[in-house]
Amino acid sequence: AQSVTQLGSHVSVSEGALVLLRCNYSSSVPPYLFWYVQYPNQGLQLLLKYTTGATLVKGINGFEAEFKKSETSFHLTKPSAHMSDAAEYFCAVSASNTGGFKTIFGAGTRLFVKA
Amino acid sequence: KAGVTQTPRYLIKTRGQQVTLSCSPISGHRSVSWYQQTPGQGLQFLFEYFSETQRNKGNFPGRFSGRQFSNSRSEMNVSTLELGDSALYLCASNPGQGVVEQYFGPGTRLTVT
Repeated sequence: AQSVTQLGSHVSVSEGALVLLRCNYSSSVPPYLFWYVQYPNQGLQLLLKYTTGATLVKGINGFEAEFKKSETSFHLTKPSAHMSDAAEYFCAVSASNTGGFKTIFGAGTRLFVKA
Repeated sequence: KAGVTQTPRYLIKTRGQQVTLSCSPISGHRSVSWYQQTPGQGLQFLFEYFSETQRNKGNFPGRFSGRQFSNSRSEMNVSTLELGDSALYLCASNPGQGVVEQYFGPGTRLTVT
């Protein structure tokens, strides 16, 4: 079984500051890990994913995440926040199940960016 | 390539009624998943269809059902609506061939009064 915990339902940063959104996961099999972003009244958009290989994953809009197996973490970072980054961010874990994939999402972290 | 489309975008229903939501996946995608998103419960997996067969199912009552057609379009149905069914229903598609990420539609906002 898989589970995802996002630490902090709300995170506030100043424009230009480092963004760090935390995610810990649990999985009984090697996981696939994702970060998605959701803007108001929209669906989810994939930011980045980890499947296998390099543990530092780069995504769109300057975001990146590092898979740390020993810490069961997949934290999302961006060196410099922009006002347009204000949105809700979801960490997700997926594993193969009966030929398909079942994806479990974290509760989400709302990012506020102050001018 | 057109993205995932969902219709209708907004819907208001009364308790006890039933509702059908529609999802058209990205062309060539054979897997369609449905999620319910609410402020209290977050994103919860409903079910996944692949080539017209339900391949995975979440923990929802039997009032929630779905199907997939030969062109990969999918519908989900909720019967005997309850107030707690008010939510954003999201559809996501996936090629179903070793690709693990999903592509989401804009959702259908269902309000039950």
